[in-house]
Amino acid sequence: EPEVTQTPSHQVTQMGQEVILRCVPISNHLYFYWYRQILGQKVEFLVSFYNNEISEKSEIFDDQFSVERPDGSNFTLKIRSTKLEDSAMYFCASSQSDSHTDTQYFGPGTRLTVL
Amino acid sequence: AQSVTQLGSHVSVSEGALVLLRCNYSSSVPPYLFWYVQYPNQGLQLLLKYTTGATLVKGINGFEAEFKKSETSFHLTKPSAHMSDAAEYFCALSGSARQLTFGSGTQLTVLP
Repeated sequence: EPEVTQTPSHQVTQMGQEVILRCVPISNHLYFYWYRQILGQKVEFLVSFYNNEISEKSEIFDDQFSVERPDGSNFTLKIRSTKLEDSAMYFCASSQSDSHTDTQYFGPGTRLTVL
Repeated sequence: AQSVTQLGSHVSVSEGALVLLRCNYSSSVPPYLFWYVQYPNQGLQLLLKYTTGATLVKGINGFEAEFKKSETSFHLTKPSAHMSDAAEYFCALSGSARQLTFGSGTQLTVLP
C-alpha cells in the first residue's frame, strides 16, 4: 500500500539554525499538508499546498516557515531560524483532492528538537 | 470556529472488554469527522470517517463510531479489545476549514 514517508525521523538542531524537513507524498496525490504536535498538545495544522502554491496557512505559519515542492516527488518544510518553541513532531500528509471528505494520509513524522 | 474535545487522555480496558473513546465536536457547519490511530513510531492511520448518510460508520480492525448530531458526538467503540489495539487515538474534524482540527488524543492501554 502506498504511504507517505518523511526524513529524517529525528532532527536535533541549535537555536537559530535552519532546518529542512522532507516528505515524499503518495505519488498520485495533489494536495499536501504540514501539521505539528508540540509534546503534550494537540496536532495543529500549519499549511496546505497545491499546484505549487500555498492554499491555506495557519497563524502559526509565519515568515520563518516556507514550503516547497522542489521536484516531482519531494515536499519540504523549511524553518529559517529555529526557536526553542519549534520543538515538536512534524507530520506531512497528502490527499488526492481538496474535498472535505477525502482522506489525508499521514507520514510517521519528524521529531524536531531545538537546543 | 471548529473544535474537537476528547474526554480522557488515558483509557485502560481489559482484553476482551468494550472499548469506548469519547469525542465531542463544535462546528458552525455540518462536520466531517474522522478517527485516526497512531501506533508507536508510525504515522496517523485512518480508522474511519463520517461524511454524510449513515450515522453508524464501520472502520478497520472492528472499530465503529456513531455520529450523533443532537449530542455533537462521534464516539469510537469496539466490542472486544485486543492487545494490538493499544495505541493513541485521535478524533478530527473538517468543517468550515478544509484542514483537519484534531482533539488532544486518547492513549488506549489494553490490560491482559
